[in-house]
Amino acid sequence: GQNIDQPTEMTATEGAIVQINCTYQTSGFNGLFWYQQHAGEAPTFLSYNVLDGLEEKGRFSSFLSRSKGYSYLLLKELQMKDSASYLCAVRRQAGTALIFGKGTTLSVSS
Amino acid sequence: EAGVVQSPRYKIIEKKQPVAFWCNPISGHNTLYWYLQNLGQGPELLIRYENEEAVDDSQLPKDRFSAERLKGVDSTLKIQPAELGDSAVYLCASSRQGQSETQYFGPGTRLLVL
Repeated sequence: GQNIDQPTEMTATEGAIVQINCTYQTSGFNGLFWYQQHAGEAPTFLSYNVLDGLEEKGRFSSFLSRSKGYSYLLLKELQMKDSASYLCAVRRQAGTALIFGKGTTLSVSS
Repeated sequence: EAGVVQSPRYKIIEKKQPVAFWCNPISGHNTLYWYLQNLGQGPELLIRYENEEAVDDSQLPKDRFSAERLKGVDSTLKIQPAELGDSAVYLCASSRQGQSETQYFGPGTRLLVL
């Protein structure tokens, strides 16, 4: 079966750095995506990794190791508005649907 | 560029009643997805369209769910009859063929079946 694991909850303070880990076991790999989802809203695209290494985009960075089936999302200079659920998703083949983890709920406090 | 549009945003119905959801994808996106999201879970695929063709409907409960994408643009997802367990958020997403094929999601329809 397909399996994507990420922590259920994390907490952090404003201005800090937080790393959300994701491990996956899937039959096939064609890319890993991170989405942010605020309560009651649609998932919004954050990052995409298909090759090993780090992708940086402003305060957010995402890392992928295909050999280890591992990714992380790094959020720097945390703000209150970063409180949300972060979804890790894998695409097994080009053009197919994403398989999502259950999401990590991040709470940022002042 | 307008995003994925869905309606209605909220729907409350009694069990055994029919319900329909509508989605208009981002212009130029040939692939359309319907996902189901339960509380505290990630989205799960119901059906995927390439243009007007349903290419993956293996997870769609076909005894009560149906979908169509006439003319390969907007799409409708229907449930008839609805059951209590169908209460969830129904998300529509679209993507364009290309390197990343990033999926962009609509705001979803939150369904409550009483």
